[in-house]
Amino acid sequence: DTGVSQNPRHKITKRGQNVTFRCDPISEHNRLYWYRQTLGQGPEFLTYFQNEAQLEKSRLLSDRFSAERPKGSFSTLEIQRTEQGDSAMYLCASSLRELDTEAFFGQGTRLTVV
Amino acid sequence: KQEVTQIPAALSVPEGENLVLNCSFTDSAIYNLQWFRQDPGKGLTSLLLIQSSQREQTSGRLNASLDKSSGRSTLYIAASQPGDSATYLCAVPSGGGATNKLIFGTGTLLAVQP
Repeated sequence: DTGVSQNPRHKITKRGQNVTFRCDPISEHNRLYWYRQTLGQGPEFLTYFQNEAQLEKSRLLSDRFSAERPKGSFSTLEIQRTEQGDSAMYLCASSLRELDTEAFFGQGTRLTVV
Repeated sequence: KQEVTQIPAALSVPEGENLVLNCSFTDSAIYNLQWFRQDPGKGLTSLLLIQSSQREQTSGRLNASLDKSSGRSTLYIAASQPGDSATYLCAVPSGGGATNKLIFGTGTLLAVQP
């Protein structure tokens, strides 16, 4: 297992377009998280899944954002009608279910909205 | 509400120096604390995970300590090298609930001069 994988690594899109990112977690990890990171800040929680169930969403996740994890494997994060303020690094992480376990992050998808 | 603070925000040291990075958190009811490294434009690499029952964790030249009662953790880097230059982030699981979503500090940007 090569760890958490995210695609694409970079995405440049025009304002108003829709974009979709993919995350493949570590295979035995049943929890998957999405975070957003802007320049000079730490990552901020967006949403998380336990298996295929989306159990929590941050207030940062506006109705233009949607995330799925079909069959409890990979996850997608879609942003509709992108805005310049959506420009950020989108990070995916996975972990085991237990509360005291380590989280492993992917390399992130850098989104630039022009 | 859990808040995580890291000081200093930036640090520049000559190669070979030992250094300490600081992390403080407001809610001491944590399961663990995790230190990460982030290279520019990259994702997060997990360095050390300290469980709430532990006081220290070591990996190579890195040593992390945890004092829950005072809400503090330190990351000690021995004999720093230019390759250690990166942003170092600490994170704790948000207090309570069944999720271990992480709350991050804003990081310490470390530059090790050759």
